[in-house]
Amino acid sequence: DIVMTQSPLSLPVTPGEPASISCRSSQSLLHTNGYNYLDWYLQKPGQSPQLLMYMGSNRASGVPDRFSGSGSGTDFTLQISRVEADDVGVYYCMQAVQTPPTFGPGTRVDIK
Amino acid sequence: QVQLQQWGAGLLKPSETLSLTCGVYGGSFGGYYWSWIRQPPGKGLEWIGEISHSGYTNYNSSLKSRVTISLDTSKNQFSLKLSSVSVADTAVYYCARSLNGMDVWGQGTTVTVSS
Repeated sequence: DIVMTQSPLSLPVTPGEPASISCRSSQSLLHTNGYNYLDWYLQKPGQSPQLLMYMGSNRASGVPDRFSGSGSGTDFTLQISRVEADDVGVYYCMQAVQTPPTFGPGTRVDIK
Repeated sequence: QVQLQQWGAGLLKPSETLSLTCGVYGGSFGGYYWSWIRQPPGKGLEWIGEISHSGYTNYNSSLKSRVTISLDTSKNQFSLKLSSVSVADTAVYYCARSLNGMDVWGQGTTVTVSS
């Protein structure tokens, strides 16, 4: 199975400031079709996970443009340009290039 | 707007079979994969398996011998069965729709395995 790692595992943030989460995979997530099969999810406290980004850099429906995704191969980044209080929760990256899809350990984001 | 509503038994004894169902409301099965994911208490997410709209299944090899995912298109439902459960299967179980990412999730069902 592909192993996913994230850093940092905990990220205190200040509202209005930018934030960044790194995700790395043990194998390349670049498919032969040219797409990187890397998704980002946010699990807000007490809720089901919700999709933020798919294929590395595509925002899911309804996701604010404060969120952006980048990277290719084995290194990916989720950036929040200006953090809001509603962005707190645990952020997971997930690879979907190989079965089984595997998740990173999660990055807990909370307000300083 | 598609919604997923899931249900099933929340308390099981070791060796019993976990059975959960996920209803799809406001949409059809066509063109998507339908997945099950679980989250042990205080831990991260684990993909269990998926079924396509045509009934093709993929399972996590770590659970494959115990998992069955099935589809009932007439009822707009898909189901998860996990046999011979143990305490290690205690988790919140989620159903989700998948195409470009898992974009719709159920509300989650807490399943506790205890003697």
